[in-house]
Amino acid sequence: SQTIHQWPATLVQPVGSPLSLECTVEGTSNPNLYWYRQAAGRGLQLLFYSVGIGQISSEVPQNLSASRPQDRQFILSSKKLLLSDSGFYLCAWRDRGTQYFGPGTRLTVL
Amino acid sequence: QQQVKQSPQSLIVQKGGISIINCAYENTAFDYFPWYQQFPGKGPALLIAIRPDVSEKKEGRFTISFNKSAKQFSLHIMDSQPGDSATYFCAASKETSGSRLTFGEGTQLTVNP
Repeated sequence: SQTIHQWPATLVQPVGSPLSLECTVEGTSNPNLYWYRQAAGRGLQLLFYSVGIGQISSEVPQNLSASRPQDRQFILSSKKLLLSDSGFYLCAWRDRGTQYFGPGTRLTVL
Repeated sequence: QQQVKQSPQSLIVQKGGISIINCAYENTAFDYFPWYQQFPGKGPALLIAIRPDVSEKKEGRFTISFNKSAKQFSLHIMDSQPGDSATYFCAASKETSGSRLTFGEGTQLTVNP
């Protein structure tokens, strides 16, 4: 069966610090992968998606970036965090029409 | 044309009542309509999904009703329970590789005991 992992589960970072969030999927190959951000009490904002290694599409211009160094690994990064980057970050993978979410990372930027 | 509009934003229901959440879409090319349930601090989980070849799909207490001509679909939760209290998201997409889901804004459901 397929499993999606995200780490860390929670993170508190100062403004201006770098960020690296990791997502890995097990039990499938060449999945479509997605990064979402969810502000408190709000909906799901698609940040990036990838259909293959090295292929990244950005949905929202911002100070975040994504990379896919391996087939089942998706990384979200920032060189300098802003206060507005706080939120709940969700990784997801897709099998045909069905999309499955990871457990999420709660990021607080102080 | 990519929007999915969801209502209401929040809903309070008594235990045993029926919860109804509605969504409307614009893109007639959409052919896959899932609903997700999200508890606080957790990732959304797929609850139930429908394709436009049927007008209704039922799984336990959860039912999706689909109206293709009106471009609307809704989630009905029968005999609502306090454990159903969560945020619900509708979504829509074309069920092809590489296409992505378009989500509604979410409905926060509270079921009072």
